Amino acid sequence: DIQMTQSPSTLSASVGDRVTITCRASQSISSWLAWYQQKPGKAPKLLIYKASSLESGVPSRFSGSGSGTEFTLTISSLQPDDFATYYCQQYNSYPLAFGQGTKVEIK
Amino acid sequence: EVQLVESGGGLVQPGRSLRLSCTASGFTFGDYAMSWFRQAPGKGLEWVGFIRSKAYGGTTEYAASVKGRFTISRDDSKSIAYLQMNSLKTEDTAVYYCTRKGYSSGWYGAYWGQGTLVTVSS
Repeated sequence: DIQMTQSPSTLSASVGDRVTITCRASQSISSWLAWYQQKPGKAPKLLIYKASSLESGVPSRFSGSGSGTEFTLTISSLQPDDFATYYCQQYNSYPLAFGQGTKVEIK
Repeated sequence: EVQLVESGGGLVQPGRSLRLSCTASGFTFGDYAMSWFRQAPGKGLEWVGFIRSKAYGGTTEYAASVKGRFTISRDDSKSIAYLQMNSLKTEDTAVYYCTRKGYSSGWYGAYWGQGTLVTVSS
């Protein structure tokens, strides 16, 4: 099974900051990676699929990059609505697997 | 607009069964695979399983943690996906989400329901 590891687990940042979250896979997953945002009490929301494709309606300040085993999610200028938990998910093979999450907090 | 609405959650004793439903609208349900995910209180996301469309045999895949206890099925005439959960354990306590994939290849959750809470406790 493929294991996904995100870092950091928690990130403190201010509005306007550039934020980067890293996700590593235990083996190559090509570009089969998605990123989600989740707010308390809500369902996850898809941000990025196929490592770098922005889902329709998602602000362009979100971007994804990487392939193989190392991936990043970047928020170019953090907005108040962006304080949430972010998850990566591999879909190269079953079982589908998520990273443990990165909580972005207000500094 | 794609909508997914889960129902059937609640409090159940260990060892008992529960069936969740996911009612879909806004798309041709029979054309899409459907998947279930879950999230234990205060924890991360976990994939439960998935059912392919009839065009791909309607076959299923499951996470090891639920294989042999949970069964996913579908009724395309009613646009409903089901998650039958048997021999429930306390560690199955979670919010269960129904999802539909996006238009690109591979399984990623483009659309999510609001979730339904299952609590397994005596």
